[in-house]
Amino acid sequence: DAGVIQSPRHEVTEMGQEVTLRCKPISGHDYLFWYRQTMMRGLELLIYFNNNVPIDDSGMPEDRFSAKMPNASFSTLKIQPSEPRDSAVYFCASSPGQGALNQPQHFGDGTRLSIL
Amino acid sequence: AQTVTQSQPEMSVQEAETVTLSCTYDTSENNYYLFWYKQPPSRQMILVIRQEAYKQQNATENRFSVNFQKAAKSFSLKISDSQLGDTAMYFCAFMKLPTGMMRFGAGTRLTVKP
Repeated sequence: DAGVIQSPRHEVTEMGQEVTLRCKPISGHDYLFWYRQTMMRGLELLIYFNNNVPIDDSGMPEDRFSAKMPNASFSTLKIQPSEPRDSAVYFCASSPGQGALNQPQHFGDGTRLSIL
Repeated sequence: AQTVTQSQPEMSVQEAETVTLSCTYDTSENNYYLFWYKQPPSRQMILVIRQEAYKQQNATENRFSVNFQKAAKSFSLKISDSQLGDTAMYFCAFMKLPTGMMRFGAGTRLTVKP
């Protein structure tokens, strides 16, 4: 079975540009999570969705960040405008959630974002 | 809110020896899951082991085992017969039920030395 698929694997762009990170969760998983990993703050939960609906976005750092899940098989995390301090590895994870509570989250390989 | 604390930023161990990574957490919940994830240099997040809070028996997966002390809110990971491939960052994580929302510790960087 395919795991969680994230794209791109690496992204390098100049500050002020719009950045869009993409995620395809595992088919049948009801929950989707976006995380940011930095050396200073470790792994932080940004937002999560249940059945395509955002449930908790309290981890989103500021209004420059937005996330959408237009359907069960696709989600985006957008940063506009991007800033150097947004440089990090961004992980997407999915989980069956209530359908199978003993199942953990499955992580994608992450997107390494560098804002110059 | 739940918090997860890993007090050891870095650890090292000789190949074939045993090492224990510490994790404590704070929650008012009674029903939850705990996990250890491994992140090697390849950056993948790999599940190592999980523990259901309602189970008293400590989870084991081959060379990996946990010491789960619910009253003390402690969840340590023991790696026996350490191998060079165990070199990685290890994250302790708390999963809240029924949402599945997770909180992670800051991680412990483990180096296995030949």
